[in-house]
Amino acid sequence: DAKTTQPPSMDCAEGRAANLPCNHSTISGNEYVYWYRQIHSQGPQYIIHGLKNNETNEMASLIITEDRKSSTLILPHATLRDTAVYYCIVESGAGSYQLTFGKGTKLSVIP
Amino acid sequence: DAGVIQSPRHEVTEMGQEVTLRCKPISGHNSLFWYRQTMMRGLELLIYFNNNVPIDDSGMPEDRFSAKMPNASFSTLKIQPSEPRDSAVYFCASSLRTGIDKTQYFGPGTRLLVL
Repeated sequence: DAKTTQPPSMDCAEGRAANLPCNHSTISGNEYVYWYRQIHSQGPQYIIHGLKNNETNEMASLIITEDRKSSTLILPHATLRDTAVYYCIVESGAGSYQLTFGKGTKLSVIP
Repeated sequence: DAGVIQSPRHEVTEMGQEVTLRCKPISGHNSLFWYRQTMMRGLELLIYFNNNVPIDDSGMPEDRFSAKMPNASFSTLKIQPSEPRDSAVYFCASSLRTGIDKTQYFGPGTRLLVL
């Protein structure tokens, strides 16, 4: 499975967009990009996933570069409740079942 | 749906005692996962069930750990005997594996402290 690289921490002002980058330069053609987050003391929460097209749901948008070597998770209007560790995970669709969680990015939303 | 349900939410026990953690997956899901999270090692997969059958238990630390899934709506993770190094948060997750979607939904976790 492809490895991912994320900054260890980021700050974002409340009400502004939070843009969380992820580098996955060794991603292969059938591997999806998943994003999860873990708010303190809670279980990881699914946010969004995508293959090559940009995706949007009620929580966030996922922008994947054309060469698929990197992606950005966008929280359009960050709130204090979005303070969490955000995990970018690359996993193959067929056969494999594991989601391997790295260290993620600690996002702090500041009032 | 109520989501993945885990019990107990907190467990404090003494070294040598048996500990049983319980999980009820989301109704209709066919895959179940047990994870352990510590500050040192992060989130680790312990075991994975598909259609109630254990598929991969390579993450189970040692023979003191065992997991069962007697039916599609219930799973247990047992530690016997427990040791202080087993102190961690244990998460259960479930998913509906259709084709290539591997989205997992996690429970709130059980915080285990072994004294």
